[in-house]
Amino acid sequence: AQTVTQSQPEMSVQEAETVTLSCTYDTSESDYYLFWYKQPPSRQMILVIRQEAYKQQNATENRFSVNFQKAAKSFSLKISDSQLGDAAMYFCAYRSAHSGGGADGLTFGKGTHLIIQP
Amino acid sequence: NAGVMQNPRHLVRRRGQEARLRCSPMKGHSHVYWYRQLPEEGLKFMVYLQKENIIDESGMPKERFSAEFPKEGPSILRIQQVVRGDSAAYFCASSPPITEGLGYSSYNEQFFGPGTRLTVL
Repeated sequence: AQTVTQSQPEMSVQEAETVTLSCTYDTSESDYYLFWYKQPPSRQMILVIRQEAYKQQNATENRFSVNFQKAAKSFSLKISDSQLGDAAMYFCAYRSAHSGGGADGLTFGKGTHLIIQP
Repeated sequence: NAGVMQNPRHLVRRRGQEARLRCSPMKGHSHVYWYRQLPEEGLKFMVYLQKENIIDESGMPKERFSAEFPKEGPSILRIQQVVRGDSAAYFCASSPPITEGLGYSSYNEQFFGPGTRLTVL
C-alpha cells in the first residue's frame, strides 16, 4: 500500500517570503500522480498543483512550484511571495495511475498547517 | 456550473442513530468518491462509485457503513448505529468519466464538496 508522509505538522513564514513544505511517499509503482491540496478554515479542499510521475519537469502554478525527486520519492511544495490568503492546511496526496483495489482514491498525508506572519 | 454539493453541512446524531450524508456531483460527472477526515488527520479514501455501481469499497469499514449512487438523485453515505468514533468530516468528490485501458486510468481531477461534519453525542 502507498503511504504519504508530511513531517512538518506546522510551518510559519513571514508575508512575502518563500516557504517550502515537505512530502515523501512510498510506492512500488512507477506510474502515478502527486498533488498538493489546500484546506483553508472553510474546510473546502482546493487543488493547488499536480505532477505526473512520468514528467521530469517540475510543475508550476503562478507562485506555487514543486520539487519532484522521483528516485528519492520526494515531492515538496514551494510557495513564493507568501500572502495572508495562503494560510491553511496543506495536504500532499498520491494517486496510482492504475485502477482498482483502492487505486482510484487519493492517499493523503496528515497535513502541514501553514501560518503566515504579517 | 455549480460545484459538488453536500448536505447537510453539519449533522448531530446520538449513539445508535443512523446518519445519512448526501452528495450531488458536478454536472456531467458520473464518478463519486467518499473520504473521511478524522481530527488532526488527512482524508482517507472510503469508496468509489459510478451510477448504480460500487467500483471500489476497499476503504469502507466492514460493518454499519454503506454507500449508493442511484441512477437518479444524489449519492448517499449511510452510517447505521453511529458511535462516537464516527465523528469526523466526510467529504465527497466527483470526477468526469475516466478513460481506462489495460488497467490504467488517465488522470481526472477530483472536485471536492465542502464536507459534512458529523458529531456523535
